[in-house]
Amino acid sequence: SQKIEQNSEALNIQEGKTATLTCNYTNYSPAYLQWYRQDPGRGPVFLLLIRENEKEKRKERLKVTFDTTLKQSLFHITASQPADSATYLCALGGGLNYGGSQGNLIFGKGTKLSVKP
Amino acid sequence: EADIYQTPRYLVIGTGKKITLECSQTMGHDKMYWYQQDPGMELHLIHYSYGVNSTEKGDLSSESTVSRIRTEHFPLTLESARPSHTSQYLCASSESPSPPQYFGPGTRLTVL
Repeated sequence: SQKIEQNSEALNIQEGKTATLTCNYTNYSPAYLQWYRQDPGRGPVFLLLIRENEKEKRKERLKVTFDTTLKQSLFHITASQPADSATYLCALGGGLNYGGSQGNLIFGKGTKLSVKP
Repeated sequence: EADIYQTPRYLVIGTGKKITLECSQTMGHDKMYWYQQDPGMELHLIHYSYGVNSTEKGDLSSESTVSRIRTEHFPLTLESARPSHTSQYLCASSESPSPPQYFGPGTRLTVL
């Protein structure tokens, strides 16, 4: 079955530094990969989507890369701020070897990011 | 902020009670989803719908049921709540069939 691993449960960094979160997957060739932010007790909020034929996507201080050979995505937050502290979820969908409906997503457990002032 | 609403936000209920968790969206999205999430764990899809009168079971088996009589409304029902049903339930919607998904704030259910 498909498996998603996010590099660590928690990541602590200093304000102003770049946070890098990793998402690895196996037994799957997704058509797209998404990143969501989830605050405690709230639903996830969509941040970025990158498709299998794209290498990199940017949005303001956020950057996502997608390496289908390594089966890995990196999510970067530059000039991090305490307000960026949250859990970040990786989600995959579409593509081959997925028996579910197109549009359905498989989520990782997330990485909890803490940005200290 | 997405226009998707869930009520109640918190529910504490005794074993054996019937409950309905409400989910509504005003974006006109065809596809809607219900996820279950335990603390520190990933979201698991328990139900989804392509549109009115369509309901499908997700990847995680659940004793709950859903209905889709109106595009904007996708309620989830548990006929007889048990402590094992204690969890956070998240509703989401998307423009069919493509991502992204827009989530509601969730319902935290505790069954005593």
